[in-house]
Amino acid sequence: DTAVSQTPKYLVTQMGNDKSIKCEQNLGHDTMYWYKQDSKKFLKIMFSYNNKELIINETVPNRFSPKSPDKAHLNLHINSLELGDSAVYFCASSQSWGTQYFGPGTRLLVL
Amino acid sequence: LAKTTQPISMDSYEGQEVNITCSHNNIATNDYITWYQQFPSQGPRFIIQGYKTKVTNEVASLFIPADRKSSTLSLPRVSLSDTAVYYCLVGPEEYGGATNKLIFGTGTLLAVQP
Repeated sequence: DTAVSQTPKYLVTQMGNDKSIKCEQNLGHDTMYWYKQDSKKFLKIMFSYNNKELIINETVPNRFSPKSPDKAHLNLHINSLELGDSAVYFCASSQSWGTQYFGPGTRLLVL
Repeated sequence: LAKTTQPISMDSYEGQEVNITCSHNNIATNDYITWYQQFPSQGPRFIIQGYKTKVTNEVASLFIPADRKSSTLSLPRVSLSDTAVYYCLVGPEEYGGATNKLIFGTGTLLAVQP
């Protein structure tokens, strides 16, 4: 059973397109996160939701919009994709502010 | 926010014990120390967490001195499969508005050679 899953695993798209990445966790956690890992391997927090409410919104362009339809899902929609958005996007979940469990990542390449 | 400092990289050989030290001079009273491991093309994975003294699990040990300004992750008898990036994070267990617990930093790239 996959604890934290993300789809798609790979995403190749053109500049200017709009795309979404989905994340689901079956751990019963109440907190979910989106991270971005760039080519230099820096892992940066983007957003965090607790019980479907946004609690962390780091300095991220407003082209990125997270949505949490329920506690088990946190999706990331990206409008007007740019070259600099190319990265690996990781979803994670935790119970409250505890240990985080990460998904396998979505590798986004913007051409 | 408690900032962490780790070596960028370390080399080791199979069968050796590896100790990775993390400095966190500004650690707060309610902060815990957590280590994650990340293999290439995978998300980070929790290894161990501690508050003070020593914690041991089936994977590693974590040594924390009395002043808590640093911590050392100890991996006994490493193998090639332990080659990964190791991150030290510091932060509270309860959300209070601070996001330092989510700061992964550069991590330490451990390269284990045969």
